[in-house]
Amino acid sequence: ILNVEQSPQSLHVQEGDSTNFTCSFPSSNFYALHWYRWETAKSPEALFVMTLNGDEKKKGRISATLNTKEGYSYLYIKGSQPEDSATYLCAPSGGSYIPTFGRGTSLIVHP
Amino acid sequence: EAGVTQSPTHLIKTRGQQATLRCSPISGHTSVYWYQQALGLGLQFLLWYDEGEERNRGNFPPRFSGRQFPNYSSELNVNALELEDSALYLCASSFRTTGTSTDTQYFGPGTRLTVL
Repeated sequence: ILNVEQSPQSLHVQEGDSTNFTCSFPSSNFYALHWYRWETAKSPEALFVMTLNGDEKKKGRISATLNTKEGYSYLYIKGSQPEDSATYLCAPSGGSYIPTFGRGTSLIVHP
Repeated sequence: EAGVTQSPTHLIKTRGQQATLRCSPISGHTSVYWYQQALGLGLQFLLWYDEGEERNRGNFPPRFSGRQFPNYSSELNVNALELEDSALYLCASSFRTTGTSTDTQYFGPGTRLTVL
């Protein structure tokens, strides 16, 4: 089981603001990292899976980068909208192939 | 396409009882994962089943067990319930095409277990 840290724990932004969160994990024995979005009263929804150092993924206004050498991933949201309000979870996995989930960053976007 | 389904939505039990939670994966998915989210904690991995076999197990006591049926649906059983077992239990399913950790997991809505 990996030690996964996500920061900040929570974030309040205004509509239109751009924001970013961090996921830190042990750089050794890394296989893949998943980002999920978990809206209240819904199921976690997969956003990205990344495997290679330097990977960048983009989905609409949301993008993510991966640095496996130093053990971190950033998730960026450009021009936040109220519908982006959710908890964002990262889940790196090592040799066991089982992802270890961080506690998440709770994002609230105020209109 | 129907998503992952879980039943029941809510379950209330008393200490010492047994709880059974059920999960139906997305059609075509052979892997089922179980997670526990206790208050204030992240998702904790419980069990992984694939093709009817238990493939991996998280750091939970043996009273947490389960099985996967031939149709790939799964049951999670929790025996001798304790107060700290109160949590949201999520099930997820995935393909097992690559056999690696890049398989995306698709989550169900969860079962909220309350132990009194």
